[in-house]
Amino acid sequence: SYDLTQPVSVSVALGQTARIPCEGNNIGGRTVHWYQQRAGQAPVSVIYRDTNRPFGISERFSGFNSGNTATLTINRVQGGDEADYYCQVYDSSTWVFGGGTKLTVL
Amino acid sequence: QVQLVQSGGGVVQPGRSLRLSCQASGFIFSGHAMHWVRRAPGKGLEWVAIISKDGRYKYYASSVRGRFSFSRDDSENRVFLQMDRLNTEDTATYYCARVSLNSASYYTAELDFWGQGALVIVSS
Repeated sequence: SYDLTQPVSVSVALGQTARIPCEGNNIGGRTVHWYQQRAGQAPVSVIYRDTNRPFGISERFSGFNSGNTATLTINRVQGGDEADYYCQVYDSSTWVFGGGTKLTVL
Repeated sequence: QVQLVQSGGGVVQPGRSLRLSCQASGFIFSGHAMHWVRRAPGKGLEWVAIISKDGRYKYYASSVRGRFSFSRDDSENRVFLQMDRLNTEDTATYYCARVSLNSASYYTAELDFWGQGALVIVSS
């Protein structure tokens, strides 16, 4: 099975830049998606196919994928960005999520 | 607008069955594969199952294979998750989600719209 590893938590000051890594063996050779889940809400797609933003997602969100790490970057972090973030890939007839990272805005 | 409205959650005893439903609207339902994803209390997202747009192909997570069954009714724009032999580890909020058309294959496409979730509690 294919494993995706994310830090349990990331903290960032208001207005600063948050970077959330997602590690997997040669993940750069796979297609990575990112989801945001605010407390009590359903997940929302924020980055698809490594680098693309869905319609309506702020340009402050960006993605990069290379080597063994995919990274979600959130610029000029706002209070509304506080949420759990998950990376996701496809592997051998299973769809794999990372363990999730809780982003705390200080 | 795209909407996925879920129903069917509740409290059920271990060993019993429950069926979740997800009603789709605002898009051509028959053109999309669909997923079920769950989140147990205190845990992260866990993929459960997928059904292809024509219903021919279904894949399941090993944790539910043989106990859960995914189906779709394109005449009603609905998908269903039949959950049998439930155990306490199945306690979670279950989400249906649409597969986008942003990829050449539904295998690698993202889940672009999600239902509101249905809470399933398995407890004696």
